[in-house]
Parts: sequence; C-alpha cells; structure tokens
Amino acid sequence: GNSVTQMEGPVTLSEEAFLTINCTYTATGYPSLFWYVQYPGEGLQLLLKATKADDKGSNKGFEATYRKETTSFHLEKGSVQVSDSAVYFCALSDQTSGSRLTFGEGTQLTVNP
Amino acid sequence: EPEVTQTPSHQVTQMGQEVILRCVPISNHLYFYWYRQILGQKVEFLVSFYNNEISEKSEIFDDQFSVERPDGSNFTLKIRSTKLEDSAMYFCASSAGRGGLGQFFGPGTRLTVL
Repeated sequence: GNSVTQMEGPVTLSEEAFLTINCTYTATGYPSLFWYVQYPGEGLQLLLKATKADDKGSNKGFEATYRKETTSFHLEKGSVQVSDSAVYFCALSDQTSGSRLTFGEGTQLTVNP
Repeated sequence: EPEVTQTPSHQVTQMGQEVILRCVPISNHLYFYWYRQILGQKVEFLVSFYNNEISEKSEIFDDQFSVERPDGSNFTLKIRSTKLEDSAMYFCASSAGRGGLGQFFGPGTRLTVL
C-alpha cells in the first residue's frame, strides 16, 4: 500500500535559518504529492503540490521537488520566519488507490526570534 | 477566499451516544471527504463522497459511521454509538476534482468521548 515517511521532529530553528523537512514515499502508481501546513488552532492548509516527476511546487518561499528516482519530496525554505512555526504534513494521492490522501506523521517546526 | 467550515468546533459526548459532525464544503467542489486525527497520530482517511454516494472508504469506516449530504450545502458524518477510541479531531475536506488538484480542509471538530 501507499505510505509517507517524514523526518522525525520536532525541529527548532532561529529566524532566517535554512529549513529542510524530509519526506519520502511509497506508492503503487504515479502519485501526486503535497505539503500541508497546520497553524496552531487551525485546519490543514494546502501549501504546495507537484503532480509529476521533476515538478517543483512553490508557495510563500517554500519549495519542494518531486524526485521519482529517490521517491522524495523534501520541503525547503531559504529563510524561515517566526510566523512559519506550525506543523507540516507531507501527503500523497494516488489514483490507483482512489482519491484519498495518505499523510506522513507531521513535523512540528518552531522558529525562535 | 472560499473555505470549508465545520461545526461544532468541539463536541463532548458520552460513550454510546450518537453524534453528527457537520461540514459545509466549498460551493463549487464535487468531492467531499472525512479524515480523523487521533492525538499524536497521523491524519487518517475515513471516507470520500461523490455524486451523492460513497466512492471510497477505509477500514476504519465501519457500520457505526455514515455520511450524508442532506441538502445542497451540508455534508455530515454520523457516528451511531460512540466509543472511547472515537475521540479525535475530525476534518472535513473538499476538492474540485480527483488526484492532483488538492483537497481543502476545514478547521476540524474535536470529538471527546467520555
């Protein structure tokens, strides 16, 4: 079946530091890949997505590249802000298993001023 | 910007009671979903709904669960006889299509079963 594995958290950084959150996946078909973000007390917000190999999704300074050869979709940001503190979820959707999203464990990011 | 809304934000119930969680998806979306997140665990898929019927469900979605779209705007999840292990955050989501379009989530309902 499908699965998503994220780097173990939590992650604590200083403002303006470089962020990487690792995500690898296992899928039976050709999945679409997503990053969702959950700010405190809120729901899951779609941050970025990529639908095929070598696509790069980007939004709000965050980027992730769909790497089929390494089955990865790592999230990066060059300079984090305190307001980026949240939980980040990697997820995939694979049409061979319907339209459900399969999520990773989530990574708590805390950015200190 | 259109958004998915959910009510109530927090529901407390006694074991064995029925609960109905309500969602209003984004108005032009066609696919609707329920997920849940038990504290400290992954977000898990429960069910998807399209064209007024269930299109997919997980092994979690047993006979105690049901979904309904009673009118043109609401989408509900009913748990007939709640168990302690049903305590979780329940998220509703909607999407315009399948696959790569992405799903848009509501803020969640925290269900506490005592």
